[in-house]
Amino acid sequence: AQKVTQAQTEISVVEKEDVTLDCVYETRDTTYYLFWYKQPPSGELVFLIRRNSFDEQNEISGRYSWNFQKSTSSFNFTITASQVVDSAVYFCALSEERSSNTGKLIFGQGTTLQVKP
Amino acid sequence: DTEVTQTPKHLVMGMTNKKSLKCEQHMGHRAMYWYKQKAKKPPELMFVYSYEKLSINESVPSRFSPECPNSSLLNLHLHALQPEDSALYLCASSQVGGFVSYNEQFFGPGTRLTVL
Repeated sequence: AQKVTQAQTEISVVEKEDVTLDCVYETRDTTYYLFWYKQPPSGELVFLIRRNSFDEQNEISGRYSWNFQKSTSSFNFTITASQVVDSAVYFCALSEERSSNTGKLIFGQGTTLQVKP
Repeated sequence: DTEVTQTPKHLVMGMTNKKSLKCEQHMGHRAMYWYKQKAKKPPELMFVYSYEKLSINESVPSRFSPECPNSSLLNLHLHALQPEDSALYLCASSQVGGFVSYNEQFFGPGTRLTVL
């Protein structure tokens, strides 16, 4: 069965600390897609990254980096030198090839990140 | 233009009212989605439209009625709602490629609905 687990419900850090948000997924498909979204208090989900199952290369974008490991079915997200503006709920999501004609996303429960000044 | 807009931002309605939520995108996306999100929970998919045709209805009660009048617009008509329907309603859109699933969805800011 397909599932996304974000075990960390809430994380609180002090500004400038590094923080890693964990995401573990389950799928039977060999082709699938992983996403991270950010939801600030305003409510809008902001797309951060998409990763294909056949591309395990890690990615860095400014202070954000993602570590994709198929061997452990994990797609972790690290924020370096966190800032107050990073405070939000972060969702990891999975889309399977079998859902290719629907675009259905399977979301994790989300991790609330609070960055204190 | 890379945004999805939703109106209204807030809506309060009684259980006997009829109201509509509106979503608009001008990114040329041919897939549009309605999600419902309760507090401290992830979004739950309600409906998917692909090329203006309903492709997914996630067993949503008939008091929610979606409509896709054209490729840029998506409506959600509400009638005889219950207090438990109070939530944030999010609209999203995405490209439709060879495989829809890999196309990231772009979300609107949502409509915060309160049913009294």
